[in-house]
Amino acid sequence: GAVVSQHPSRVICKSGTSVKIECRSLDFQATTMFWYRQFPKKSLMLMATSNEGSKATYEQGVEKDKFLINHASLTLSTLTVTSAHPEDSSFYICSARRYLAGGSDTQYFGPGTRLTVL
Amino acid sequence: QQQVKQSPQSLIVQKGGISIINCAYENTAFDYFPWYQQFPGKGPALLIAIRPDVSEKKEGRFTISFNKSAKQFSLHIMDSQPGDSATYFCAARVGADGLTFGKGTHLIIQP
Repeated sequence: GAVVSQHPSRVICKSGTSVKIECRSLDFQATTMFWYRQFPKKSLMLMATSNEGSKATYEQGVEKDKFLINHASLTLSTLTVTSAHPEDSSFYICSARRYLAGGSDTQYFGPGTRLTVL
Repeated sequence: QQQVKQSPQSLIVQKGGISIINCAYENTAFDYFPWYQQFPGKGPALLIAIRPDVSEKKEGRFTISFNKSAKQFSLHIMDSQPGDSATYFCAARVGADGLTFGKGTHLIIQP
């Protein structure tokens, strides 16, 4: 199957600092990537849709100034958590859309990034 | 409002048995229904997916049954193995949108 990577896998930072998480599609080009957030033993919640070369689309309730998304190339999207606070601690997971033969598509997920804000 | 309701929350099945997880949805605009498997500390992995013009899809030991009129779909895992122990999520989406996930089912397969 398709491979999506995330970096870093874990990050611990102090409150008030900013953290950047990278999401890469390794063996296909992805014009669209998605960012999700998952709390412990909970479901995944869509945060935003990242489109290559254009502004991200944020879901209701997600602060766009806090969660900055950049999709500068067809294989890379970044999520920057600005001025992080302990409540931002979570598991952040990206996915990349891959188009399949016949015109269908599916999403492949990265391994996730565990953010802990002290 | 939870758009995709998943049950049960947890499930214990004996090795070799059939694991059944159910999901129901409200939004009739959903046109794609995947199932994901997630192990602790890892990202979700796509298992199998179905579109509403098909009532059943089988891939190996995994089968999706889809009931459009009832707005329900289910995952069946045949001959369940201890390695299948994981959290399973159903999901749905409209067109090219991101996925809406169910709350997940923690599956334990007992040897």
